[in-house]
Amino acid sequence: DSGVTQTPKHLITATGQRVTLRCSPRSGDLSVYWYQQSLDQGLQFLIQYYNGEERAKGNILERFSAQQFPDLHSELNLSSLELGDSALYFCASSAASVWGTEAFFGQGTRLTVV
Amino acid sequence: EDQVTQSPEALRLQEGESSSLNCSYTVSGLRGLFWYRQDPGKGPEFLFTLYSAGEEKEKERLKATLTKKESFLHITAPKPEDSATYLCAVPGTGNQFYFGTGTSLTVIP
Repeated sequence: DSGVTQTPKHLITATGQRVTLRCSPRSGDLSVYWYQQSLDQGLQFLIQYYNGEERAKGNILERFSAQQFPDLHSELNLSSLELGDSALYFCASSAASVWGTEAFFGQGTRLTVV
Repeated sequence: EDQVTQSPEALRLQEGESSSLNCSYTVSGLRGLFWYRQDPGKGPEFLFTLYSAGEEKEKERLKATLTKKESFLHITAPKPEDSATYLCAVPGTGNQFYFGTGTSLTVIP
């Protein structure tokens, strides 16, 4: 158990809908990273938050947004969903503002868009 | 452009048959190369970090090595429980963290 909690584990929704994925980092960790993992693309970095502020941005679509709350949990919002958004979404947390050996992944949310 | 490439994509080994996985990278100013293990449907699990050419790290049947352009993950006398996807990753520009697409290892009893 990495200490990073993601909910829900599975999500099935229709095209055009909006969903929210939640991540609770390990106790004391200030950074949260979001990744998308598709079968054909591997792990793609989406966005990082550090202590409530956006720190780095990857290939995140405009239909996607994220935020980190004062209690440090983070939410990834996906809207106007398309079939191609079906993937595993992981968050990882670390204490530092940059990636290091102390970064740990959650178990992921499997999103299926039908 | 920052890039990480892993080979082979898939590898099947008999139990006890040693082999190596390759990770080649293109990034300016390497700030560490990370190896992870990922089981199906699970999040990646940290294995090693290497920071400089010539560095080696070991954990049970796994040994990771680093040169200026690539890293190898050597698996000695693997067991079926070593079956997983092995990912390597490097920090790139803008605090992004680039993962390779992984090597799927299957160890047959």
